[in-house]
Amino acid sequence: AQSVTQLDSQVPVFEEAPVELRCNYSSSVSVYLFWYVQYPNQGLQLLLKYLSGSTLVESINGFEAEFNKSQTSFHLRKPSVHISDTAEYFCAVRSGSARQLTFGSGTQLTVLP
Amino acid sequence: ETGVTQSPTHLIKTRGQQVTLRCSSQSGHNTVSWYQQALGQGPQFIFQYYREEENGRGNFPPRFSGLQFPNYSSELNVNALELDDSALYLCASSLSGQGRKGTEAFFGQGTRLTVV
Repeated sequence: AQSVTQLDSQVPVFEEAPVELRCNYSSSVSVYLFWYVQYPNQGLQLLLKYLSGSTLVESINGFEAEFNKSQTSFHLRKPSVHISDTAEYFCAVRSGSARQLTFGSGTQLTVLP
Repeated sequence: ETGVTQSPTHLIKTRGQQVTLRCSSQSGHNTVSWYQQALGQGPQFIFQYYREEENGRGNFPPRFSGLQFPNYSSELNVNALELDDSALYLCASSLSGQGRKGTEAFFGQGTRLTVV
């Protein structure tokens, strides 16, 4: 069975400060990992994904995440956040043979001026 | 390339009623998954359809059912609505088959269902 734990339900941070949103997963087989972002009253938008290859993956808007197999983690980082980054962020895992994504409970990132 | 569209965007139903939610897949995608997102929680997998057949199911009762049509659009039907069915229902499309692995799912904006 696959599961995802997002350790922080809320993360407040000042504008231009760095941020890390933590994600740990549990799976007995190879995994594909994803970060999605959800703005108020909207669906989910894919932020970045790890399928294979380089363990460091980047998005077009400055976020990055590193797959750490030994620590079963896929933490999301950004060196300098903007007000517009305020949103709910969901980490998700799909094991090799699974049909579905399993999501964490989400982390609300609030960027303060 | 069109994205995933869902209808309606909002819906209010009475306990015991039935509801049908609709989803149009992204162009070129052949797989549709439905998720339920309760307030303050992450999405929970309901089921997936591939080539018009159910291809996997989460921990939801049989009163949650679905269809996929030849054009890959899909419906989610919920019978005998309960108050706890109030949630955002998300549809996601993806491309499966031909050795593809790990392709991402693209989500629609969701349908906000309120059961009173």
